[in-house]
Order: sequence, then C-alpha cells, then structure tokens
Amino acid sequence: SAVISQKPSRDICQRGTSLTIQCQVDSQVTMMFWYRQQPGQSLTLIATANQGSEATYESGFVIDKFPISRPNLTFSTLTVSNMSPEDSSIYLCSVAASGANTGELFFGEGSRLTVL
Amino acid sequence: EDKVVQSPLSLVVHEGDTVTLNCSYEVTNFRSLLWYKQEKKAPTFLFMLTSSGIEKKSGRLSSILDKKELFSILNITATQTGDSAIYLCAKTDSNYQLIWGAGTKLIIKP
Repeated sequence: SAVISQKPSRDICQRGTSLTIQCQVDSQVTMMFWYRQQPGQSLTLIATANQGSEATYESGFVIDKFPISRPNLTFSTLTVSNMSPEDSSIYLCSVAASGANTGELFFGEGSRLTVL
Repeated sequence: EDKVVQSPLSLVVHEGDTVTLNCSYEVTNFRSLLWYKQEKKAPTFLFMLTSSGIEKKSGRLSSILDKKELFSILNITATQTGDSAIYLCAKTDSNYQLIWGAGTKLIIKP
C-alpha cells in the first residue's frame, strides 16, 4: 500500500484567486492521478501526472486552468487557477497500487475547496 | 459512451439489515471491476473482480461479478452504523483507465 499526504485538507477561497494542492507519497510512483469530485457526484479524472513530462489532461480540463507539477517520483501539485464557485469540489490525488496494473488506486485524504 | 451505472443512488436501512448494491457496466474493453468505500473524502479500496462467479469476501462484505450479464453486486450483511458511506464501483478498461459510477449513498440507522 501507499501512504499519501495531501494538503490543504480544506480551504475557503475568493473568486478569481488560485490555490495549489500538494500531494506527497511515501514511495516512488510512476503515475499520479488528480481527481475532482463535485458535490453529489462521482470521481472525475482531471489529469495524469508523469514525472519528467507534461501531465496528460482529460477532456474538459486544460493546463491553463489546472496546471500540474511533478518534480519527482513522490510529489505532485495541482493548482486550481482563477477560481469560480463552480470549482468548489473535493480534489483527490491518487496513485496506482504497485506491482500490478489492476486499476486499484490509493487515495490521499482529499482537499475540500469552497469558492465564494 | 462507456459508462458504469450504480443503483440505487441512495439507500436507508436499519442496523442489522442486509443490503445489496448494484453496479452494471458496458462491456467495451473490460478488464476488472473495483469497489470502493468513501466515508469522508478519500475512497478506500474494497474489492477487485476479474472473473465471473467467484465471490470475494471480507468480513461482512462480499462481492461477485457476472460477466455475462455485465453487473456486479456488493453485499453487506448485519449492517452497522459504521457502514454508512458512499460505495463506488469503477470499471477498468484495457488501458487500465477507470470509469466510475455515480455511487450509492448508504445510510444505516441505529
């Protein structure tokens, strides 16, 4: 298993500002995933963060709005830029279970973001 | 469009009841079916199912996959208030991409 530390745990932000969420893993992982979960909704993949290359964004998500850094194999950040109330969500980082490509994921504790 | 459908969307039962949660999926590029429990923010892994008819069991929770009818069920027996959570299922495809269902919100009343 992997232990994932994510911060901030929650934040209240003003419209138009940006917030960076950090994700630290206790072991080296190739891919880290960033998800968004809007109120009452399921998980939506924002992007896959690979070390040493640009993140791969899913349809509907763009780098200007959600820039991602992946400086090494244990750390990643997601920035939510120019926030609006529609960005109020839980943001989760996750990593795949090592040793097998099963799709099993371990999740950080999540960052609950409220935009006023 | 590839999708995963969970039912019911919400369920309220009393402690001690048995519940069955459903997850149906489309067959495109199926690799495995995963169940997660989400209590506060972070989902935690419950089961991974790849073969039909083989029950996975963990305590009071069990799950089975039917690849012919394209669905899985998650059973919880003798429910406790601590079982209250959102239960998510997800399908992985041949590229190990996950497609998530909307979840079933389960509330256990004492």
